[in-house]
Amino acid sequence: DAGITQSPRHKVTETGTPVTLRCHQTENHRYMYWYRQDPGHGLRLIHYSYGVKDTDKGEVSDGYSVSRSKTEDFLLTLESATSSQTSVYFCAISEPKGSTDTQYFGPGTRLTVL
Amino acid sequence: AQKVTQAQTEISVVEKEDVTLDCVYETRDTTYYLFWYKQPPSGELVFLIRRNSFDEQNEISGRYSWNFQKSTSSFNFTITASQVVDSAVYFCALSEALTDSWGKLQFGAGTQVVVTP
Repeated sequence: DAGITQSPRHKVTETGTPVTLRCHQTENHRYMYWYRQDPGHGLRLIHYSYGVKDTDKGEVSDGYSVSRSKTEDFLLTLESATSSQTSVYFCAISEPKGSTDTQYFGPGTRLTVL
Repeated sequence: AQKVTQAQTEISVVEKEDVTLDCVYETRDTTYYLFWYKQPPSGELVFLIRRNSFDEQNEISGRYSWNFQKSTSSFNFTITASQVVDSAVYFCALSEALTDSWGKLQFGAGTQVVVTP
């Protein structure tokens, strides 16, 4: 299994508070992604990174920001959490092309915004 | 824009029955990748298969098989002789082909498979 960890694994917070989720990889992969999972929508891409300090928006980026100062860490920040951001958040990394494997996902973070 | 449709929200079968999950996709890219992932009740996402757009060969892996038909933009997944452990949500996904990676995944809404003894 790819070495991907997410922290925290569970978080309950209140509307209006800032929240930062961390994704850490030990694989030295270039590409990292943040998705959110909601019933009826599958997983949707929030932001992704194609290298240190190189990030771009995904399908549902409003209300989220990201940072990647090191290859191994990709942070997702909710500047002011809202109830609509209650979701399960997954981080993923991409294997280099030519590998027999593919995108690996972290274990997920369950975020509840009250 | 890319789109993946999994029209079946939930499928219930009795153990040992076969079950087929439908996946229809839309893309303007000529080179792309298709994936299936399994999400068991424990919540993790488990990679099952990746198929590139140039390879239309069907694939079999144990009780799992996949039927890729470019002409109908479909990538269907069949579980033969289902078992209770197959109970999970299954996601189909589509990715653009970047030069050195698999790209961003566009997921379908998922199909819940319930296998009863």
